[in-house]
Amino acid sequence: EAGVAQSPRYKIIEKRQSVAFWCNPISGHATLYWYQQILGQGPKLLIQFQNNGVVDDSQLPKDRFSAERLKGVDSTLKIQPAKLEDSAVYLCASSSTTGGRSPLHFGNGTRLTVT
Amino acid sequence: GENVEQHPSTLSVQEGDSAVIKCTYSDSASNYFPWYKQELGKRPQLIIDIRSNVGEKKDQRIAVTLNKTAKHFSLHITETQPEDSAVYFCAASRTGNMLTFGGGTRLMVKP
Repeated sequence: EAGVAQSPRYKIIEKRQSVAFWCNPISGHATLYWYQQILGQGPKLLIQFQNNGVVDDSQLPKDRFSAERLKGVDSTLKIQPAKLEDSAVYLCASSSTTGGRSPLHFGNGTRLTVT
Repeated sequence: GENVEQHPSTLSVQEGDSAVIKCTYSDSASNYFPWYKQELGKRPQLIIDIRSNVGEKKDQRIAVTLNKTAKHFSLHITETQPEDSAVYFCAASRTGNMLTFGGGTRLMVKP
């Protein structure tokens, strides 16, 4: 099966600029996650979707981050305006069910550098 | 919310030796515990997982043990090889909730 697709792979922006990341999950996977992985740390969940609805966005900094999954398939994550501390790898993952009943499959991530 | 602590942060072993990575979790309702391996610049990949109704699970050279009473679980790699060198992450979740990851262990296997 095709894996989770993400683009772009790398992005360099200046602080206060905006940026968007795209993710296409494995076909048929209802649950989609966005994780932020700061260098040297474990992935931290930003938002979880079940189909096109938000299941958990308690750790998403909503003053600057937004995410959508309008048709229940691919998703975009946006940061506006970006801060230096947003430099990280943004990982998208999908699973066929929620809450650990099936494994997470990760994409290759988007490495964001904010200067 | 759930908090997962992982130790050690770095681990260096000789090829052929065993490696053990330990994690503790805070939420007694957590019931799913996967382990991911992340090679440099690559995506995390699931290597083994365990559910709370099982105390131990093995897959060739890797095994995971779970102690629900003490709220800790461990990854054991036997007969380590240079290709085992990577960062390993443990994680925990309860049904319906998201995975919380530990901080990672950088394993270095010296030939």
